[in-house]
Amino acid sequence: DVKVTQSSRYLVKRTGEKVFLECVQDMDHENMFWYRQDPGLGLRLIYFSYDVKMKEKGDIPEGYSVSREKKERFSLILESASTNQTSMYLCASTQIGRGYEQYFGPGTRLTVT
Amino acid sequence: AQTVTQSQPEMSVQEAETVTLSCTYDTSENNYYLFWYKQPPSRQMILVIRQEAYKQQNATENRFSVNFQKAAKSFSLKISDSQLGDTAMYFCAFMKPPGGSGGSNYKLTFGKGTLLTVNP
Repeated sequence: DVKVTQSSRYLVKRTGEKVFLECVQDMDHENMFWYRQDPGLGLRLIYFSYDVKMKEKGDIPEGYSVSREKKERFSLILESASTNQTSMYLCASTQIGRGYEQYFGPGTRLTVT
Repeated sequence: AQTVTQSQPEMSVQEAETVTLSCTYDTSENNYYLFWYKQPPSRQMILVIRQEAYKQQNATENRFSVNFQKAAKSFSLKISDSQLGDTAMYFCAFMKPPGGSGGSNYKLTFGKGTLLTVNP
C-alpha cells in the first residue's frame, strides 16, 4: 500500500515564525503536491514537484515555498507565518502513468496565532 | 482554466437509501479525467472512482457509480445502499490529460466539496 505521511497532525505557531511542513511518500512517486483545505473553498494547490529539485507554482503560492531534495520528501515552508495561513495542509503524491490517482497524507492542521 | 462546481454544500440520506451528488465542470479540452474523492471525518482522503472522458461507459465501483454526461459537462456520483461509513466530505476533481513537459498535466482541480451525512 502507498503510504504518505506528514510530520505533524496539529501544529501551533506564532505570527512571523518560519514553519516547515514535511511530507514523505514510500512508493517512489515522481509527482508530489501541497494543498491547503479551507471550509467552503475545497482544496487549492499551493505548489507541486515533478522531480527532485523541480517545482512549479500552483494556484496560491504566495507566502509559501517548497523544497524537494530527495524523491520521497517534499517540504512546504512558510517563511513568515501569518494568521491567514491558519488552515489544513494536505500533501499528496502520484505516479506517472498509473491511473493518475493521487494518494493523500493525513493532513496537518496549522494554527497561527 | 478549468473550473469544477459542486452545487450541494451538504446532503443527507437515510441508511440503505440511494443518494446522488452533483458535479459540473468547465473545460475546452476534449480528453480529460474526472475523479470523486472521499474524505471521512478526521481520516485521509481516498479515491472513490475515476472516469476517463474518452470512455463512454460510466465507471462503477461496487456501490458507487457515476453518470458522466460529456456534452453537458456533468459528472454525478450515485451511492447505492448508503452505509454509515459513507459519511464524509466528497470532492469532485478534474485533471487534464497527461503529456508535455514536467508534471503540469497531473494537477487536479477540485470542487468545493459536498458534506454527506448518512443517518441511521
